[in-house]
Amino acid sequence: DIQMTQSPSTLSASVGDRVTITCRASQSISSWLAWYQQKPGKAPKLLIYRASSLQGGVPSRFSGSGSGTDFTLTISSLQPDDFATYYCQQYNSYSPWTFGQGTKVEIK
Amino acid sequence: QVHLVESGGGVVQPGKSLRLSCAASGFTFSNYGIQWVRQAPGKGLEWVAIIWYDGSNKYYADSVKGRFTISRDNSKNMVYLQMNSLSAEDTAVYYCARAGSGSDYWGQGTLVTVSS
Repeated sequence: DIQMTQSPSTLSASVGDRVTITCRASQSISSWLAWYQQKPGKAPKLLIYRASSLQGGVPSRFSGSGSGTDFTLTISSLQPDDFATYYCQQYNSYSPWTFGQGTKVEIK
Repeated sequence: QVHLVESGGGVVQPGKSLRLSCAASGFTFSNYGIQWVRQAPGKGLEWVAIIWYDGSNKYYADSVKGRFTISRDNSKNMVYLQMNSLSAEDTAVYYCARAGSGSDYWGQGTLVTVSS
C-alpha cells in the first residue's frame, strides 16, 4: 500500500504568515492527491484536489503543488479561521486510499 | 443539495459486530464511489474502505481487512460497513464521504465505542 508522510506534525504561526505543509508518497501517485482542513468536532473539508485544483468556495490563499511523490499545501497569508488540522490523502484508483498523519496549525 | 447521513453507531462489546449505514441524497448516487474514514478520539484521520460506484471494486485498510466489509445498494442510495470482531482499537467516529477526485461531501459521522 502507498504510505503518505506529512510534515511537520505541528506548526506554530502568526496571522499573516506564509505557511507550507508537505506530503510525500511512498511511490508515485501522479497528481491524485487531495488536501483537507479539519476543525475539532467537524468533518474534514476538501480544499485542494488533483494536487493543485482549488475546490469551489475555498479562498485563493490556499494553493497546492507537486506531482509524483512530493506535494505541498501553501497558505499565502494565514487568517484566524485557518487555525486547524490539515491532512493530505492520496486517491490512486487501483489501491487503498491513505491519509497523511496530519499537521496541526497553531497560533504562535 | 448533497447529503450523507451515517447511522448505526453505538456501544458494542469486544468481539461483537456492528453494521453502519450511509444514506446519500442530492446527487446521482450510482455515479460515485463512497469511502469510509474513521477518527479515534484525539487522533488523526484513518482511511477504512472504499467501494466503487458500481460495487465492482472494494479496497480496505490493512487494519480492518478480513473483519470489515463494505457494500452498497444503488437502488436505495445506501452504503454499508459491516464490522465484525470489533476491538477497542476500532473505537472512533466513522465518516462516509463521496469519493470522486478527493471527497467533497462528508457525513456528520457516527460514533462507535467498543467497550465491555
